[in-house]
Amino acid sequence: NAGVTQTPKFQVLKTGQSMTLQCAQDMNHEYMSWYRQDPGMGLRLIHYSVGAGITDQGEVPNGYNVSRSTTEDFPLRLLSAAPSQTSVYFCASSYGSFYGYTFGSGTRLTVV
Amino acid sequence: AQTVTQSQPEMSVQEAETVTLSCTYDTSESDYYLFWYKQPPSRQMILVIRQEAYKQQNATENRFSVNFQKAAKSFSLKISDSQLGDAAMYFCAYRSGGATNKLIFGTGTLLAVQP
Repeated sequence: NAGVTQTPKFQVLKTGQSMTLQCAQDMNHEYMSWYRQDPGMGLRLIHYSVGAGITDQGEVPNGYNVSRSTTEDFPLRLLSAAPSQTSVYFCASSYGSFYGYTFGSGTRLTVV
Repeated sequence: AQTVTQSQPEMSVQEAETVTLSCTYDTSESDYYLFWYKQPPSRQMILVIRQEAYKQQNATENRFSVNFQKAAKSFSLKISDSQLGDAAMYFCAYRSGGATNKLIFGTGTLLAVQP
C-alpha cells in the first residue's frame, strides 16, 4: 500500500497564481483532511471531508477550496496565492474515530 | 470549539532518563479520543499513542505512556529510557468522536535528547 500520497513535494508560486495540491489515499478511508504547518503554530486544519461529496471548513479555510468527488482523492486548491500561504501542507486520512490519521509526507509551498 | 494547549515549547532530557510532556484540552464533548504524534526532522507525522476518553486506564506503548486525567482535561506523555531517536517535535491532538471526526492539534513541544 502507498498510504497517503501528496504531490508535489516542493513548489514555488508567484503571488496571484493558482495551483492544486494533490492528495490520494489507497486505504479506503472515509475521513480526509488538509492541514498547514507554520513555525510555533502546530498543524491547523484547513478543510476536511467525512466522505465522498461531503466537505467542510476547518480553522483556516480562507483562500483554499476543496472537493471530494471520490473516496481516494482530496485535492486542495489555492485560488490566488499570497505570501501568507507560504507553509508546509499535510494531507491526512483516517478510517474512524478510534484510529489516528495517516499523514502524507507534506508539500513545502513558497509564495514569492 | 475544542482547543488543545501545549505549554512547553521546548524540553530537554538526558539519554536514558525520563521526560514528561504536558497537554491540556478543552471540550464539552463526552466522546473523544486523544493522540500524541511525533514529527522528526524528516517531517513525517508518526502516531505514538492513543487514548479513548471512555477508558480510565492509561495507554502504554513500550517506552511511551500517558497520564490521562479526564476531569482536569489533561493528557501528558511520559517517555521512559529516552533515546537519541526520540528527539523530535511532539504534538498532542484531540479527535472528536462525533460525526465530524476532526483532528485538532496543539502547537507542539520540541524535545531534545542529550547524549
